[in-house]
Amino acid sequence: EAGVAQSPRYKIIEKRQSVAFWCNPISGHATLYWYQQILGQGPKLLIQFQNNGVVDDSQLPKDRFSAERLKGVDSTLKIQPAKLEDSAVYLCASSLAQGLFNEQFFGPGTRLTVL
Amino acid sequence: GIQVEQSPPDLILQEGANSTLRCNFSDSVNNLQWFHQNPWGQLINLFYIPSGTKQNGRLSATTVATERYSLLYISSSQTTDSGVYFCAAHPNDYKLSFGAGTTVTVRA
Repeated sequence: EAGVAQSPRYKIIEKRQSVAFWCNPISGHATLYWYQQILGQGPKLLIQFQNNGVVDDSQLPKDRFSAERLKGVDSTLKIQPAKLEDSAVYLCASSLAQGLFNEQFFGPGTRLTVL
Repeated sequence: GIQVEQSPPDLILQEGANSTLRCNFSDSVNNLQWFHQNPWGQLINLFYIPSGTKQNGRLSATTVATERYSLLYISSSQTTDSGVYFCAAHPNDYKLSFGAGTTVTVRA
């Protein structure tokens, strides 16, 4: 069974530029998550989708971050414009459902460096 | 939100040694996961363990939900066990909250 796929693996941009990340969850997983992991810290949830609807985006800086999951499968996370403090690893995860039996599986992440 | 605390923050082991990592959480949880983050940044699922004890090879985990803690045991450690171990708790609102991690270094 294929795992969670993410691309690109690495991205370097200048501040104020825009960037987009892509995620394809495990087949059949209804719930998709985006996390931000700053160096030395645990991942922090940015947004959670159930199929193509947003369940929780309370930690998403909506002035610059946006995410969509239009067909309930793959998802994109965008940052526009990027700031220096956005340098982090962006992790995508998926689970069969939310609620009980919601073991999450993570992709390899995208390492973003903002100069 | 729920607070997840891991200890110790750093652990240095000689190859072959055993160790115990601890995870305390501040509220009741529906579930708990342990992950190993390898040097390339990939989070590898180790255990999905709301309560009780599970074993997988040289690793085992125990969660005592009523006392709000979980333990991860590493036996006969190997250099490939090096990395950061994260505990993450699912409280009643189902958000997964991570601890700060325990960095394990196994020396040959």
